[in-house]
Amino acid sequence: EAGVAQSPRYKIIEKRQSVAFWCNPISGHATLYWYQQILGQGPKLLIQFQNNGVVDDSQLPKDRFSAERLKGVDSTLKIQPAKLEDSAVYLCASSLAKLRGRGYYEQFFGPGTRLTVL
Amino acid sequence: ILNVEQSPQSLHVQEGDSTNFTCSFPSSNFYALHWYRWETAKSPEALFVMTLNGDEKKKGRISATLNTKEGYSYLYIKGSQPEDSATYLCAFGGNNNDMRFGAGTRLTVKP
Repeated sequence: EAGVAQSPRYKIIEKRQSVAFWCNPISGHATLYWYQQILGQGPKLLIQFQNNGVVDDSQLPKDRFSAERLKGVDSTLKIQPAKLEDSAVYLCASSLAKLRGRGYYEQFFGPGTRLTVL
Repeated sequence: ILNVEQSPQSLHVQEGDSTNFTCSFPSSNFYALHWYRWETAKSPEALFVMTLNGDEKKKGRISATLNTKEGYSYLYIKGSQPEDSATYLCAFGGNNNDMRFGAGTRLTVKP
């Protein structure tokens, strides 16, 4: 079974530039998550999709971050414009979980994109 | 906001040593507790998901226990090997199938 794919693996940009990350979840997984992991901290949920609808985007800085999941499969996360504090690993995960499933579904993670903002 | 705390932050052990880490979480509205292993440049890999108070799970030399009444879980590694070097993350599973992660314990096993 193919895992969660992410690209690019690494990205270096100047502050105020734009950047986009792509994620292809495991086939058949309805729920997709984007996390931001800053060095020394745990992954923080940015946005959670159920099919192509947003379940939770309460921690997404909407003035600069946007995400979409077209047709309920692939997803892109965009940052425009980037700030120095956006330097982090961006992880995508997918799950078979359905809404209100009480948190016991395993999430499968991609390898992440390491973003450095100079 | 749920706080998931992990200790220690980092740990250095010799090959063959046994070790353990702690994850503490709010004991109210408990749904599930997940443990992940994250090796550098790889994807986080699920180790265990536990839902019941008193749960004990084992995979090879790694095991975990769960106490939902007092809000903690222990992860044990018996006879550590260099390939066990990784960051071990625990996460509190919420009622929306979301997860709140701790900051992790970074384990280094020296040959």
